[in-house]
Amino acid sequence: GEDVEQSLFLSVREGDSSVINCTYTDSSSTYLYWYKQEPGAGLQLLTYIFSNMDMKQDQRLTVLLNKKDKHLSLRIADTQTGDSAIYFCAETLNNAGNMLTFGGGTRLMVKP
Amino acid sequence: EPEVTQTPSHQVTQMGQEVILRCVPISNHLYFYWYRQILGQKVEFLVSFYNNEISEKSEIFDDQFSVERPDGSNFTLKIRSTKLEDSAMYFCASQGNTEAFFGQGTRLTVV
Repeated sequence: GEDVEQSLFLSVREGDSSVINCTYTDSSSTYLYWYKQEPGAGLQLLTYIFSNMDMKQDQRLTVLLNKKDKHLSLRIADTQTGDSAIYFCAETLNNAGNMLTFGGGTRLMVKP
Repeated sequence: EPEVTQTPSHQVTQMGQEVILRCVPISNHLYFYWYRQILGQKVEFLVSFYNNEISEKSEIFDDQFSVERPDGSNFTLKIRSTKLEDSAMYFCASQGNTEAFFGQGTRLTVV
């Protein structure tokens, strides 16, 4: 079955760029998403990319997709302490309707 | 900005009891979902609902679970005879086109 993997933890200094990585196994992904979860809160959609795109930029966020390597990344420029949260990547598959398959989440800690 | 609303935010129930988790999706959305996140584990898909019926469900969504859209606004998840392992954060989501928007979640604690 499909599997989505992320590293558990990332620590950066305020003002630096953060890069959160995600790998997936199923090549029939249609859309790939990044969600943010702050402590005690729900899942906030940050951005998404269609599987036939390589890159998407949205203000401080840049999503890169390498479909050959099945690798997705989220770059946050000028990381702020308010960016500290858990970041989840997720995918929808061609043959699985609209259900999302999530990675385990990467906890981003931003140090002042 | 429209949002998905879930109630209650926290529910404590005794093992064996039935619980109903409530969600108000975004009003013009057509697809509705329930996901759960057991503490320390991945967010897992439970069920999707479209056109007043279940469109997909996972292996987790067995006979203990049911969903309903009793009126034009609410979308509920019922868990019959709760077990300790049902303790989790339950998220409702709704989707118009591409993007699924999630509620804040209901933390269910079964004691």
